[in-house]
Amino acid sequence: KAGVTQTPRYLIKTRGQQVTLSCSPISGHRSVSWYQQTPGQGLQFLFEYFSETQRNKGNFPGRFSGRQFSNSRSEMNVSTLELGDSALYLCASSLALRSPEQYFGPGTRLTVT
Amino acid sequence: AQSVAQPEDQVNVAEGNPLTVKCTYSVSGNPYLFWYVQYPNRGLQFLLKYITGDNLVKGSYGFEAEFNKSQTSFHLKKPSALVSDSALYFCAVLPYSGAGSYQLTFGKGTKLSVIP
Repeated sequence: KAGVTQTPRYLIKTRGQQVTLSCSPISGHRSVSWYQQTPGQGLQFLFEYFSETQRNKGNFPGRFSGRQFSNSRSEMNVSTLELGDSALYLCASSLALRSPEQYFGPGTRLTVT
Repeated sequence: AQSVAQPEDQVNVAEGNPLTVKCTYSVSGNPYLFWYVQYPNRGLQFLLKYITGDNLVKGSYGFEAEFNKSQTSFHLKKPSALVSDSALYFCAVLPYSGAGSYQLTFGKGTKLSVIP
C-alpha cells in the first residue's frame, strides 16, 4: 500500500505571496492532519480534517487554512507569506478522526525569501 | 494543555552500547504516547506507541520504551546502538480521554549520534 504523498517536495516563495501544498493520504484513510516543523518551535499541530470538515485546529493565524476533498486528499494554503513561515510542512493520515495512529508523509520544504 | 519534555538536545553513544533517550509528559487523563524518528530531509517514521497494558513497549528496529505513570515518563531504549540509529527522535503525546486539546503534541526532539 502506498504511503502518504506530499507535493511539491520543495518550494521557494517570496514574502507576500501565497502557497498551496497538497497531501494524498494512504488509501482508505479518511483523516488528514497538518504540522509545521521549524528549528525554533519544533513540530506544531496546524489542523485536522475528516470528511471534508476541519475538526481540530492548532494555534496558528488565519493565514493558514486548509481543505479536504471527497477522496480525502487535502490541501493547505498559506496566504501573505512571511519569512517565519519557512518550515517543513508535514502531513499525516489516519483511518479515523482522532486516531492514535498517524502516518506521516515526507513533507514539503517551504522557503520564503 | 498537554506538553512533552525531552531534556536532552543531543545524546552521544558509542556503537554497541545501550542507549536511552528521555521523555516526560504532562496530560490530563490517560495518555497515548509515541516515539517517532526523523532522518535528514525525511518525514517522521513511527517507532512505537503506548496505549494501555504492559508498561514495556517493543517497537521497530529493536527499540523499546518504558511507560512510568508515577514519573510521567516514557524513555526510549535500545540495548545495542547502531551507527544507522543516528537521527532525530521525537516523543509525542495524545490525550486518551479527550480531555484537553485532541492533538498530537511533540517534544523538541533529541539528536542521537552513535559513534563508531
